[in-house]
Order: sequence, then structure tokens, then C-alpha cells
Amino acid sequence: GNSVTQMEGPVTLSEEAFLTINCTYTATGYPSLFWYVQYPGEGLQLLLKATKADDKGSNKGFEATYRKETTSFHLEKGSVQVSDSAVYFCALSEYSSASKIIFGSGTRLSIRP
Amino acid sequence: DTGVSQNPRHKITKRGQNVTFRCDPISEHNRLYWYRQTLGQGPEFLTYFQNEAQLEKSRLLSDRFSAERPKGSFSTLEIQRTEQGDSAMYLCASSYPPGLAGEAGELFFGEGSRLTVL
Repeated sequence: GNSVTQMEGPVTLSEEAFLTINCTYTATGYPSLFWYVQYPGEGLQLLLKATKADDKGSNKGFEATYRKETTSFHLEKGSVQVSDSAVYFCALSEYSSASKIIFGSGTRLSIRP
Repeated sequence: DTGVSQNPRHKITKRGQNVTFRCDPISEHNRLYWYRQTLGQGPEFLTYFQNEAQLEKSRLLSDRFSAERPKGSFSTLEIQRTEQGDSAMYLCASSYPPGLAGEAGELFFGEGSRLTVL
């Protein structure tokens, strides 16, 4: 079945460091790929998405590129801020059915001032 | 619009009792989803509705679980004869239907209803 695997946390970085959170997926068909973020005390919200191979999603300085050949969708940011501290979830949706979104287990990110 | 609203936010119950959670989605969204999230894990899909029709149910949803969306607006998730393993955060999300090309719509999540079964 479809699944998402992302790097385990927690990840702790200093402010202005470079961030990568790895995500790989297994899917039949042509999934859409997402990163959702959950800030402390808030509900999950969409951070960025990509709907086809080689698409790059971007938002708030974060980027992720849909790599079909490596079945990956790694999240990157060049310079993290304390306000980026949150839990990040990689997710996919089957392109053909679009009936539900399947989430990875989440990666907790903490940024030190 | 205030977003997706879930009630109650916290529920503590004894094993064997029934509990019901309510979700009010964003008004113009016709899709509504229920997920369950346990500590340190990502949300697990339970079921979803398009308008009032329940279109898919996960194998995780045992016969003790039932969800309804009677008028295609708010939804309820009932758990009968609760067990300690049901303790989790129950998340509701809503969205527009898939796009013209079939791509999934963005999910808008509520803050969840936390269930503790003693």
C-alpha cells in the first residue's frame, strides 16, 4: 500500500542553520506530495505541495522538489528561525482517487536562538 | 469563517463508556475527514465524507466506531464501549473536492479532540 517515511526527530538546530528533513514515499499511480506543519498549540496546516514530478513547492522560505526517480520529497530551508520550531509531516495523496491523504510519522524541529 | 471547529477539545471517560465528538467544517467545503493521531505519530486516516455520503472507511475503524454527516454539514464520530487503546487525538479536516485534474485539495484541520480512556 501507499506509505510515507520521513526522518526521525527530534532535530535541533541553531538559528540561521540549513535545514533538510528527508521524506521518501511508496505509492501506486501518480501521487501528489505535501508538507504539513503543526506549530505548538495549533492544528496542522499545509506548508507546501507538489502535484507532479519535478515540481517544486515553496512557502515561507521552505522548498521541496518532487523527485520521481528517487521517490523523495525532501524539505529544505536555507536559514531557519526560532519561529520554525514545529512538527513537520510529509504526506501523499493518490492522484487517481484523491480520496485521502496519508501522513508520515512527523519530525519535530527545535531551533535554538 | 472561523475554520474547522471540534468539540469537545478534551474528553476523559472510563473504559466501556460511549463518547461522541463533533466537527463543524468550513462551510463551503463538501469533503470532511476524520483522522486519529497518537503521541509521536502522524495522523492515521479513519474515514471521509463527500457531502453526506461516507465514501471510504479505514480498516482501523472497528465496528465500535461510527461516523455520520447527516445533512452534509457537521459530522459526529461516536466510539462505543471505549477501550484504553482508543486514547488518542481525533482530528477533523475539511476540503474542497479534488481539482479538475484530480489533485487532492488542501486539508484544513481543526485543533482536535483529545480522548483519554481510564
